[in-house]
Amino acid sequence: AQKITQTQPGMFVQEKEAVTLDCTYDTSDPSYGLFWYKQPSSGEMIFLIYQGSYDQQNATEGRYSLNFQKARKSANLVISASQLGDSAMYFCAGGAGGTSYGKLTFGQGTILTVHP
Amino acid sequence: KAGVTQTPRYLIKTRGQQVTLSCSPISGHRSVSWYQQTPGQGLQFLFEYFSETQRNKGNFPGRFSGRQFSNSRSEMNVSTLELGDSALYLCASSRTSGRATDTQYFGPGTRLTVL
Repeated sequence: AQKITQTQPGMFVQEKEAVTLDCTYDTSDPSYGLFWYKQPSSGEMIFLIYQGSYDQQNATEGRYSLNFQKARKSANLVISASQLGDSAMYFCAGGAGGTSYGKLTFGQGTILTVHP
Repeated sequence: KAGVTQTPRYLIKTRGQQVTLSCSPISGHRSVSWYQQTPGQGLQFLFEYFSETQRNKGNFPGRFSGRQFSNSRSEMNVSTLELGDSALYLCASSRTSGRATDTQYFGPGTRLTVL
């Protein structure tokens, strides 16, 4: 079983600055993946970035990067050069192989507000 | 490539009724997962279908059921609706499942209100 914890209910950042959203995980699965999704007020979950447990390097996708620290069991999302359109709810999620077919375990989410 | 589509987008039902939600995955994706999102419980996994077979199920009562068709489209059904079933129902598709690398892509959701 997996547990995903996001301890920041809300975060504020100034436009064009960088922000880090925290995520810690707990799992007994040897092979797992960590995902970040963005959910605007419209409700759709938008995939941002993925990190596999065996990946040696931190994942990056444009302005998004994942600070993966396996020993600390953390997978923090870093958004560089924040934009007003980044204001949304952000979810960290964990998936595993084997019999965990199709199941992602989500954290509680962090509401990010970008100020002009 | 078209994304995941869900119909209807909004639904209002009364207690005791039943409802069917539909999800069309991304072309080529064979796995469809369903999630319920509420303010109190957050995002919870309902079930997953792959090649018309339910392979995983979350901790929900039997009133929640689903199925998948040969074209990978999926439906979920909730019978005898309760007020607590009011939620955003999200469907997600992935190319395969059972691997930690399977990325799920979500649809826009169906917002169900039970009165």
